[in-house]
Parts: sequence; C-alpha cells; structure tokens
Amino acid sequence: DQQVKQNSPSLSVQEGRISILNCDYTNSMFDYFLWYKKYPAEGPTFLISISSIKDKNEDGRFTVFLNKSAKHLSLHIVPSQPGDSAVYFCAASRYGGSQGNLIFGKGTKLSVKP
Amino acid sequence: EAQVTQNPRYLITVTGKKLTVTCSQNMNHEYMSWYRQDPGLGLRQIYYSMNVEVTDKGDVPEGYKVSRKEKRNFPLILESPSPNQTSLYFCASSYGGGSKNIQYFGAGTRLSVL
Repeated sequence: DQQVKQNSPSLSVQEGRISILNCDYTNSMFDYFLWYKKYPAEGPTFLISISSIKDKNEDGRFTVFLNKSAKHLSLHIVPSQPGDSAVYFCAASRYGGSQGNLIFGKGTKLSVKP
Repeated sequence: EAQVTQNPRYLITVTGKKLTVTCSQNMNHEYMSWYRQDPGLGLRQIYYSMNVEVTDKGDVPEGYKVSRKEKRNFPLILESPSPNQTSLYFCASSYGGGSKNIQYFGAGTRLSVL
C-alpha cells in the first residue's frame, strides 16, 4: 500500500509560469514532509520541508502548502525556470522524522520549456 | 566539502557473485540509509541505521545486508545478487529527527546483475 502518492508522473509548463506539483498521503501519523529534486545522474537534493504544525513554508521561488485535513501537500514554483526541469520527489516521515525513516512518492518529472 | 560518497558508481556483475557497495559521509551524521530507485516505483528504502551498530529494515530489505561499525561508513552487501536487484542505489545520511532529518544523498550506484 503506497503511503505517499504523486499521481502525476510528468508535468510540462512554460518558462515564467507557475508549476504546481501535488502529493497525497494516507498515513495520519506523518508529521514532517519534504520535497527533493533530482537531476539525471545525480542523487536527490533537498529542496524544502514543512512540519505538520504549519500550513505553508516559503523559500524564494518555492512554496510548499500543507492541507492536513485533505492529507495533501503541494509544491509551487514561481516563476518556473528551465533549470527547474528535474524529477521532484515528495517524502514524509513520522515522529518528527526522529527515526530517519522517510517514505518517498514515485516522483513527478517537471519539464520547463523556454 | 560536505558529501556522501558511494563507490563504485557503476557495476556490472553476474548472478551469485557477492558484492559490496561502499558509502561514506563526512558530516558526522548519525542516520544513514540505503535506497533503490526503479522506474515507476520511485525511491524505496532498503535499510537504515540510527547509529553505530544500530540498523533496521526498510521497505525492501530482502537480499541485502548492511553493517555500521563506524559512524561514517554504511556499506551495502549483496551476498548472492540476482537480476531483480538490478537497480540504481542511493546512500543517504542525516543528523537525525525533526527538522534535522534532511537527508543528503550520494550520487548513486548503477548496478546491473546479469
């Protein structure tokens, strides 16, 4: 049973527009969520995170929104740039992540066209 | 430079021939993990370690072994590799819980088992 779901395998947007990547989870015990970005031939790199006590976290062009009642989070990238083209993974953990155990979604491949 | 180093980056082997993929981090992190990435399945955790001599199974531990004799090293051992272990493997490390559970990934090891 997949606990973290990214239902869109791919997303294509125009440069300068907003990219919205979605993630749903099923386990109500998750209390910490992260987004990672992965370029080909590289390991995933941390992008942004949010604790379940918040509903929004912003870092430059990147904003993560959390809707606990819907068990849904989203990553907004504004404005999108060609260098943002990558695979984005949503991840979740329990107990504030104290066990170092992250559950990842399958990823969404974002393509930003010039 | 803070980093997680995996070796080798690429490996082709035959069924049944024991192999070890090494992982080393220079950030004095307590937590270390191994993941495999497969098309359509995203990142799945194999094993993780919360400290020296403390390891636990992740989601897909069958066919793998790990050890944590030193804080900086976390090797992944395949005693008798099989073709279904052909995959892209990532090692990761993090300080620990809560907001410190941001995992830093190595560049990956692409393994082919013939």
